[in-house]
Amino acid sequence: ETGVTQTPRHLVMGMTNKKSLKCEQHLGHNAMYWYKQSAKKPLELMFVYNFKEQTENNSVPSRFSPECPNSSHLFLHLHTLQPEDSALYLCASSQESGTGGYGYTFGSGTRLTVV
Amino acid sequence: GQNIDQPTEMTATEGAIVQINCTYQTSGFNGLFWYQQHAGEAPTFLSYNVLDGLEEKGRFSSFLSRSKGYSYLLLKELQMKDSASYLCAVTDSNYQLIWGAGTKLIIKP
Repeated sequence: ETGVTQTPRHLVMGMTNKKSLKCEQHLGHNAMYWYKQSAKKPLELMFVYNFKEQTENNSVPSRFSPECPNSSHLFLHLHTLQPEDSALYLCASSQESGTGGYGYTFGSGTRLTVV
Repeated sequence: GQNIDQPTEMTATEGAIVQINCTYQTSGFNGLFWYQQHAGEAPTFLSYNVLDGLEEKGRFSSFLSRSKGYSYLLLKELQMKDSASYLCAVTDSNYQLIWGAGTKLIIKP
C-alpha cells in the first residue's frame, strides 16, 4: 500500500470513448501530479495541483482534462484519445508543490491502451 | 535543453555488484534522486544526493559528483527481487524535476 491509490489499474478504450482516471491519496498531502510514462522515455509531467489549484499544465492536449475537487482526489478525464496516448499514467503527491521532487509518493498507475 | 542519460538496460548475476550510471545536463542543480520501479508498480524512493560523495543505505549506495554532472547507484549482493527499472531524476534551479528514461536491470541466477 503506497498511500496513493489509482483506479482503474488497466483501461482499454476506443478513440471515441470518454473515460476517467482516478487518484486518491491518504497522506495529508496538498500537491498532486499527473505523469505520463511511455516505454523507454522519461516521465512527462502533465499537470500539477497545489491546494486544489492547478499550477502547471505542460502543454498537454485538451483531450486530457484534469479535475481536483479536493486535496485528496485527482481525476484525469479522457476523450477522443489517439493511439499514441497509450501509456502508463502515474499519479503522485507531495506535501506541497515546488519541492523539486522531494517527498513524492507515487501510485501504481493506470495502464491505458487506446485502440 | 535539459537532459539526463542512463543506460537503457543492464544485466547482472545474483550475488554480484552492479553500478548504474547517470549523467545530467540541467539548468542548475538542487538535488538528484534515484527511484526503483518494479514492472506494473509505483516508483519508490531509493536515495537523494545534494552534496558530493557517497550515501550508503544497506545494500544500495548512491554517489554524486556535481562538477562532473554524474551520479551512480551501486547495488551489492544482488537479489532476484532487485530486477526492476531504476530512474534517475534531477531537480533544476527552478525546482523542476527532470527525469531520465530509466535503466532496466535484469538479474540472472
